[in-house]
Amino acid sequence: DAKTTQPPSMDCAEGRAANLPCNHSTISGNEYVYWYRQIHSQGPQYIIHGLKNNETNEMASLIITEDRKSSTLILPHATLRDTAVYYCIVYSGGSNYKLTFGKGTLLTVNP
Amino acid sequence: DAGITQSPRHKVTETGTPVTLRCHQTENHRYMYWYRQDPGHGLRLIHYSYGVKDTDKGEVSDGYSVSRSNTEDLPLTLESAASSQTSVYFCASSESSRKLFFGSGTQLSVL
Repeated sequence: DAKTTQPPSMDCAEGRAANLPCNHSTISGNEYVYWYRQIHSQGPQYIIHGLKNNETNEMASLIITEDRKSSTLILPHATLRDTAVYYCIVYSGGSNYKLTFGKGTLLTVNP
Repeated sequence: DAGITQSPRHKVTETGTPVTLRCHQTENHRYMYWYRQDPGHGLRLIHYSYGVKDTDKGEVSDGYSVSRSNTEDLPLTLESAASSQTSVYFCASSESSRKLFFGSGTQLSVL
């Protein structure tokens, strides 16, 4: 699986959009980009995933650049409950069953 | 969210004793995983299962074993607990091997 690079921490004001970047310059054509988050002391929670098209669900939007070397997770109206560590993972699926988590980005939403 | 439960939530044990952590899922998911989480290391895969009686090692499998006799359960066994195995343990399950659902975790302390 391709490696990812995320900033260790970010801050965001409550009510504003949180934009979390992820670099994955060695991604290959069959690898998906997944985002999970982990609120303190809880198990990680799936947020969204995509291959090359932008994706949106009830939690967030995922913007993948045309060359697929980077992506941005957008939380449109961050709340205090969105304070968590966000993990960007590149994963090919198929016969590869292992999802590898890096250190992620600690997003702190401030009042 | 998928029905996945871990037990116990907290356990304190002594060095050298056998320990079993339990994971039960009610979603009929094919894939199940065990991760450990330590400060500075993030989530690391211990073992995973891709079907009944089918298991394989993750990146930190030494000192741990799993056996899957049915779809619902994947117990994690520490044959002889060591202080280095003090950690938070997370179980996860998935159907497609892409979108994982995590349990609430087990805090294990080995004294």
